[in-house]
Amino acid sequence: EPEVTQTPSHQVTQMGQEVILRCVPISNHLYFYWYRQILGQKVEFLVSFYNNEISEKSEIFDDQFSVERPDGSNFTLKIRSTKLEDSAMYFCASSASTSGIGTDTQYFGPGTRLTVL
Amino acid sequence: GNSVTQMEGPVTLSEEAFLTINCTYTATGYPSLFWYVQYPGEGLQLLLKATKADDKGSNKGFEATYRKETTSFHLEKGSVQVSDSAVYFCALWGGSQGNLIFGKGTKLSVKP
Repeated sequence: EPEVTQTPSHQVTQMGQEVILRCVPISNHLYFYWYRQILGQKVEFLVSFYNNEISEKSEIFDDQFSVERPDGSNFTLKIRSTKLEDSAMYFCASSASTSGIGTDTQYFGPGTRLTVL
Repeated sequence: GNSVTQMEGPVTLSEEAFLTINCTYTATGYPSLFWYVQYPGEGLQLLLKATKADDKGSNKGFEATYRKETTSFHLEKGSVQVSDSAVYFCALWGGSQGNLIFGKGTKLSVKP
């Protein structure tokens, strides 16, 4: 069964450093997402991506964040200058389409645990 | 705005006990509703979904019914197993951004 994969599973970095989290969505999917979960808190939406551009983003997704689909398979999240409060589990997801009536299912990867020291 | 509230955990049950995890939502319109499960060390997996009022989603012995009148989507299972130990997330799809809105998650531990 196709699945979303993410690397690395755990990333430790120093405050102020840049990190790139990588995801390989399901191959025939068209929409890609990043979510994060700070320990003990809700899973929060960061950004959605379609047709090589950002579709929507939350207020969390500020100028420190960027996303890219550098080739036909990878989908990356970059944090330019990490802060302590960026420590969280980051989940990538993909879906075939957004039908507009909310019937599409998002498939999630296992997550990358980011620890900022 | 749209939101999801689910019961706080952790929930600890004995094997073969009955499970209910409560979930209520606030939304405009008629969002699709989901339960996702996260087993230890794994990602979020879709457990079941319902797309309109009175729909019942079911999978692996779990069920949830979309109740518009009470804005609820409670998860139930008649007889839990140790292998059901996981974190369960209620979510809705209906935001203008096309993203899922999640509850905080409920950790379930099933003891033999």
